Amino acid sequence: KNQVEQSPQSLIILEGKNCTLQCNYTVSPFSNLRWYKQDTGRGPVSLTIMTFSENTKSNGRYTATLDADTKQSSLHITASQLSDSASYICVVSGNFGNEKLTFGTGTRLTIIP
Amino acid sequence: NAGVTQTPKFQVLKTGQSMTLQCAQDMNHEYMSWYRQDPGMGLRLIHYSVGAGITDQGEVPNGYNVSRSTTEDFPLRLLSAAPSQTSVYFCASSFSRQGPEFFGPGTRLTVL
Repeated sequence: KNQVEQSPQSLIILEGKNCTLQCNYTVSPFSNLRWYKQDTGRGPVSLTIMTFSENTKSNGRYTATLDADTKQSSLHITASQLSDSASYICVVSGNFGNEKLTFGTGTRLTIIP
Repeated sequence: NAGVTQTPKFQVLKTGQSMTLQCAQDMNHEYMSWYRQDPGMGLRLIHYSVGAGITDQGEVPNGYNVSRSTTEDFPLRLLSAAPSQTSVYFCASSFSRQGPEFFGPGTRLTVL
């Protein structure tokens, strides 16, 4: 069964600190992996999309890494800001006629001043 | 460019009532989808469409109908609301199945 597991479930860090969120998946075959940011009460917003051949991609202070061999991804946030407080959702897309998206349950990140 | 819009933002229904959640996008995206989001669970796909006139079921389609008469609009109909349909509903669109999805702001539905 295709699954996406994220850890930790929740995380609290001080403003200005860095943090790393983890995503492990069992989706196969694999097409791409996406990270979304979801602010409370709003829809998810895409941060990055990574294909099989990409092992790192950045979007400002967000850097995603992908190891397709071990089926693991991470999202690193540098110099956190209060506006980074949100849920971060990892989503994996299958391939070859099975482009179903499998969603993780998210990591709830809280930045405190 | 409004992106993906959803109406209403909030709705309270009684068991057995029907209603339609509206979704529209102005990005000329072919792919549109409806999700529900419940506490402690990932987003779950209800129905999706790969273009006008074409729809298909997702992971949790029971109790919901969709149609896609135009590229822009993708309404979701609840036929006979049940308390189990209390959830937050998101509409999303993308240029292709492999592209990033753009989500609407969501509709928070409560069924009493």
